[in-house]
Amino acid sequence: NAGVTQTPKFQVLKTGQSMTLQCAQDMNHEYMSWYRQDPGMGLRLIHYSVGAGITDQGEVPNGYNVSRSTTEDFPLRLLSAAPSQTSVYFCASGAVPQDTQYFGPGTRLTVL
Amino acid sequence: GDSVTQMEGPVTLSEEAFLTINCTYTATGYPSLFWYVQYPGEGLQLLLKATKADDKGSNKGFEATYRKETTSFHLEKGSVQVSDSAVYFCASRNDKIIFGKGTRLHILP
Repeated sequence: NAGVTQTPKFQVLKTGQSMTLQCAQDMNHEYMSWYRQDPGMGLRLIHYSVGAGITDQGEVPNGYNVSRSTTEDFPLRLLSAAPSQTSVYFCASGAVPQDTQYFGPGTRLTVL
Repeated sequence: GDSVTQMEGPVTLSEEAFLTINCTYTATGYPSLFWYVQYPGEGLQLLLKATKADDKGSNKGFEATYRKETTSFHLEKGSVQVSDSAVYFCASRNDKIIFGKGTRLHILP
């Protein structure tokens, strides 16, 4: 049982490049979410999903896209990377929104 | 909207000291409340939770009580250890989870 996995662990991009951060969970959780963590800002919700085919915006969705074609996977896409997107990104999943959330190990992204 | 406010850090204590990290929330209805801990280089992991008023969550010597009258969920531990050094996040959850900004805790041997 791997829990929540994220790839890559580290990534460096140039401004304007696009990329996808992968997130997968093997706990059959319906609820999945993406956060970014910045110094002094805590965790901010980017996008979330309450089940396959359903996604919604969080607090800071601009510049990011998500899709949820399966229960297991919830990729986060950066369409045109900007230095302001330099951050640590965490994916999380839970059985329901009110339940315990399980976090992945994070992806540290630097945009030059 | 919902929000969570927790005390600013960093908090530095000596080993075996008593710990309190304050957390208050604003929310519609009665959210579930959580404390998460983040050790260096890792993701967050659940420390404890409470789902209704007067519930007490506890784990690894940490405790927090859901106080509806003061909208608080303060984290306490009677005797901290060096291994408790981490960042602690208070969170509330209705339809989505809202995190506080985190409190960094340093425990000196």
